[in-house]
Amino acid sequence: GQQVMQIPQYQHVQEGEDFTTYCNSSTTLSNIQWYKQRPGGHPVFLIQLVKSGEVKKQKRLTFQFGEAKKNSSLHITATQTTDVGTYFCAGPASWSNDYKLSFGAGTTVTVRA
Amino acid sequence: ETGVTQSPTHLIKTRGQQVTLRCSSQSGHNTVSWYQQALGQGPQFIFQYYREEENGRGNFPPRFSGLQFPNYSSELNVNALELDDSALYLCASSRGLAGGVVNEQFFGPGTRLTVL
Repeated sequence: GQQVMQIPQYQHVQEGEDFTTYCNSSTTLSNIQWYKQRPGGHPVFLIQLVKSGEVKKQKRLTFQFGEAKKNSSLHITATQTTDVGTYFCAGPASWSNDYKLSFGAGTTVTVRA
Repeated sequence: ETGVTQSPTHLIKTRGQQVTLRCSSQSGHNTVSWYQQALGQGPQFIFQYYREEENGRGNFPPRFSGLQFPNYSSELNVNALELDDSALYLCASSRGLAGGVVNEQFFGPGTRLTVL
């Protein structure tokens, strides 16, 4: 079955630094979504990418969808304490008829002030 | 806040018992998906309901079952509880499909189930 993998599992960042987290799928994705889950909270939708090679920005966050639609990345610049949480990517397989989302295990981000 | 509510917030059961979890979807959403999230893991898809019909199922045994009602609220039922069923159960509603693309999921706060 489809597998979505994320690296790194943990990211410890100094406040003000940049970092990137990566998402890879074993199958081609029709689209990819990113979610953020704060400690003790629930996943909150951040963005959806649909087109091959698509790049979207949200303030300090830059999301990219790979040309082959099998990988994605999230780059955060000038990390702040508000960026703490776990970032998940999720995607349905493009061949799927039931549109279920497969989530990666997430990248948990901690910030050193 | 997403407008998706779940009840109860916490639940403790013993092995072999049955449990029913409830979810009210956001206004205007006709699709509800249920996920199981174990500690330190990503949400795992259980099943999805679209207009009261099951629209897909993940790798969960038949003792996990669900319902969706005409108002699009939903229930998740788990029979013969096992210790490994201890997890956060998340409900997510969405506007269904748009051109074959899964729309964003609006998650509720979850129900924390502990099986002893």
